[in-house]
Amino acid sequence: KQEVTQIPAALSVPEGENLVLNCSFTDSAIYNLQWFRQDPGKGLTSLLLIQSSQREQTSGRLNASLDKSSGRSTLYIAASQPGDSATYLCAVDPGTYKYIFGTGTRLKVLA
Amino acid sequence: EADIYQTPRYLVIGTGKKITLECSQTMGHDKMYWYQQDPGMELHLIHYSYGVNSTEKGDLSSESTVSRIRTEHFPLTLESARPSHTSQYLCASSEFDPRPSGNTIYFGEGSWLTVV
Repeated sequence: KQEVTQIPAALSVPEGENLVLNCSFTDSAIYNLQWFRQDPGKGLTSLLLIQSSQREQTSGRLNASLDKSSGRSTLYIAASQPGDSATYLCAVDPGTYKYIFGTGTRLKVLA
Repeated sequence: EADIYQTPRYLVIGTGKKITLECSQTMGHDKMYWYQQDPGMELHLIHYSYGVNSTEKGDLSSESTVSRIRTEHFPLTLESARPSHTSQYLCASSEFDPRPSGNTIYFGEGSWLTVV
């Protein structure tokens, strides 16, 4: 059974720092992996999607990488800002279109 | 930009009441989902649909039911609400897109249900 884990569970950094969020999955047979942002009491907003054949995707200050063989993905946030404060979740699609979500990393960027 | 809407956003009801959470999307997506999320916890899939008249239960057992009579509409119903049903319910939809950025899943804002 696919399990998705995110480390750390919470992170607090000063503004301007570059940071890395980690996502691990137990079964490498995935169709794609997606990173989301969730603000308190709100739904999820898609940030980046990486297909299984891809190594990384970039959008603005965000860069996501995927290493299927080791079951890992990282989300790199450059020059963090207070507006980046949110919970970040990763999710894998095992090919059934039924995403399996990680537990999330709660990020707080201090001004 | 995603267009997926959930109503109500917040609902407080008494035990034993029947409730329906509405979800609509205007993107023509054939796949729709209901996830349940307790505060600070992970999302669990409770229902999904691959298209009209196609519904299946997800990995997390739920006493709720769903229907998919129209592509754009995927309501979730609880026949008799209990305090254990108190949670946030998130509706989502997706459509296969052959472009590299394809198969994105889009979420609504969520419905917060409190059963007293």
